[in-house]
Amino acid sequence: GENVEQHPSTLSVQEGDSAVIKCTYSDSASNYFPWYKQELGKGPQLIIDIRSNVGEKKDQRIAVTLNKTAKHFSLHITETQPEDSAVYFCAASRWDSNYQLIWGAGTKLIIKP
Amino acid sequence: EAQVTQNPRYLITVTGKKLTVTCSQNMNHEYMSWYRQDPGLGLRQIYYSMNVEVTDKGDVPEGYKVSRKEKRNFPLILESPSPNQTSLYFCASSSAGTSGRIPYEQYFGPGTRLTVT
Repeated sequence: GENVEQHPSTLSVQEGDSAVIKCTYSDSASNYFPWYKQELGKGPQLIIDIRSNVGEKKDQRIAVTLNKTAKHFSLHITETQPEDSAVYFCAASRWDSNYQLIWGAGTKLIIKP
Repeated sequence: EAQVTQNPRYLITVTGKKLTVTCSQNMNHEYMSWYRQDPGLGLRQIYYSMNVEVTDKGDVPEGYKVSRKEKRNFPLILESPSPNQTSLYFCASSSAGTSGRIPYEQYFGPGTRLTVT
């Protein structure tokens, strides 16, 4: 079955710098890749997603890139702000599994003032 | 306000004492799911439901039961809790469509922190 690996487990960056979180997946048939943000004491919330027919997607300061050949995708956050501090989860799924999500282990992002 | 609610938010119990964690959504979503979150393991799916009276096992179903008698509610039942079920539990819901071929955003509840001693 699908396996998703996420790195790093913890990432500390200076406020204003960029942060990159990477995920690799094992099932080449996976075609949907969302990213969720979990703030302290809350449930995860979708921040951006990408489908396999697209190589990159941007939404203001966040972007996701997908390399289907290498089977990895990344979350990029530019001009980081204190409110970006959270745990970020990547996931992968495929349409013929009812888009059941297989989750990465999470990355704790710390923004240093 | 569109939301997923879970109760209780915190629960401390003893081994073997049956408990139920409730989950309710007000978005008329077909799909509902239960996850557990443990450090270093991310989110692992326990059970999910594609619609009323339709449930299926996720990756870690052992020791848990669910039911989906109404569209809005999806309770998680631990018949005989054990210490290895100490975890943070999340309920989630989403639109599923009739074919399940379109991915939809999952909306999560605030979580239930369960401790079994």
